[in-house]
Amino acid sequence: QSVLTQPPSASGTPGQRVTISCSGSSSNIGTNPVNWYQHIPGTAPKLLMYNNDQRPSGVPDRFSGSRSGTSASLAIRGLQSEDEADYYCAAWDDSLPDYVFGTGTKVTVL
Amino acid sequence: QVQLQESGPGLVKPSETLSLTCTVSGGSISRYYWSWIRQPAGKGLEWIGRIYTTGSTNYSPSLKSRVTMSVDTSKNQFSLNLSSVTAADTAVYYCARAVFSNNWFGYEYYFDSWGQGTLVTVSS
Repeated sequence: QSVLTQPPSASGTPGQRVTISCSGSSSNIGTNPVNWYQHIPGTAPKLLMYNNDQRPSGVPDRFSGSRSGTSASLAIRGLQSEDEADYYCAAWDDSLPDYVFGTGTKVTVL
Repeated sequence: QVQLQESGPGLVKPSETLSLTCTVSGGSISRYYWSWIRQPAGKGLEWIGRIYTTGSTNYSPSLKSRVTMSVDTSKNQFSLNLSSVTAADTAVYYCARAVFSNNWFGYEYYFDSWGQGTLVTVSS
């Protein structure tokens, strides 16, 4: 059972900005940095953002991340058709200890 | 560029043990944590646990009683055993490499490389 809560879906037309929220608690997001993964079904998940706002090499700067308190968000600027995927936030949880994923958000490009 | 590849039976009978191996190529297995993650059909990602190259392990509390992980540094492989499986354990299983560090801003831990995943079905 996921302890990080995300909206189940988000959508936008090409070129729009989409934001995905991730809500946690003091033992995970409130204490440790947040990561984001992009998952296209049938393929391996891909690291999209680490340490709240750091993009791995090769990830377009259209993607940005932020964290505030016990919540985090991922923004996609200039939405493109290839951004259609499932997005998961994740963080280490000190209370269990455990690595916890968000519930996942399916992004649809209309 | 490190590559990971899962291998093992695609079908396991209920109450038996699921066994998977992840082979790491293109890089050393040393100085990283190595994890297993799974995704049941239609559901989200679930962390199963991790093993360091020394053999030190941490398991998800929800699976801890049934999980065992091991590592073979000579073969650049690590393995997962999940005992007493039921249909609820049917999922795509991924292995992944974790980067980690304890910093002033918290415990940095994320997966920078993943295997392609392997579907394991639990059925008689």
